[in-house]
Amino acid sequence: DTAVSQTPKYLVTQMGNDKSIKCEQNLGHDTMYWYKQDSKKFLKIMFSYNNKELIINETVPNRFSPKSPDKAHLNLHINSLELGDSAVYFCASSQSGENTIYFGEGSWLTVV
Amino acid sequence: AQSVTQLGSHVSVSEGALVLLRCNYSSSVPPYLFWYVQYPNQGLQLLLKYTSAATLVKGINGFEAEFKKSETSFHLTKPSAHMSDAAEYFCAVSESGYQKVTFGTGTKLQVIP
Repeated sequence: DTAVSQTPKYLVTQMGNDKSIKCEQNLGHDTMYWYKQDSKKFLKIMFSYNNKELIINETVPNRFSPKSPDKAHLNLHINSLELGDSAVYFCASSQSGENTIYFGEGSWLTVV
Repeated sequence: AQSVTQLGSHVSVSEGALVLLRCNYSSSVPPYLFWYVQYPNQGLQLLLKYTSAATLVKGINGFEAEFKKSETSFHLTKPSAHMSDAAEYFCAVSESGYQKVTFGTGTKLQVIP
């Protein structure tokens, strides 16, 4: 019974392509996130949505566009992929008033 | 601004030895502090969290951490390392409780048989 699930787990694509990563959580949480983990394992928040509203938008290129159709889903679309976009992207969720973030298994993106 | 510093990107211990992973934090308000573990090719799993209740926090898999305000530290310990503890460990801090969690750079724990 996966709490935060994201697809695909592995994605290899060429530079210049557009790709999406999907995320769904079945925890009933109202807040969702996208984190990026680089090759040195450094984790950095990219976006956060609360009840479908964008509340955190760190310095991320415009090529990255999150979309939250409802509070259980937060998808990440990336245009014109670059080599530097290669990383592991983690979706996560939490509930307002709580202080625990639950992570998905990650999506390994490799741009060649 | 909140931040955490993890001392030592790699820590090696013998099986059965004490595990000590260091974390120091910086926060302008009383912080929430977390330790997460990441096994190879997996997501992050919460080990334990400090939320201004007891300063000694017990987590899963025999880990615990002690909040020391005077030292701005939240070190993670386990009395006896097991091979299955080999993983990457992340300390994290949040001032708001959940909305923006800042992670440390991680410490890779190696357990030697």
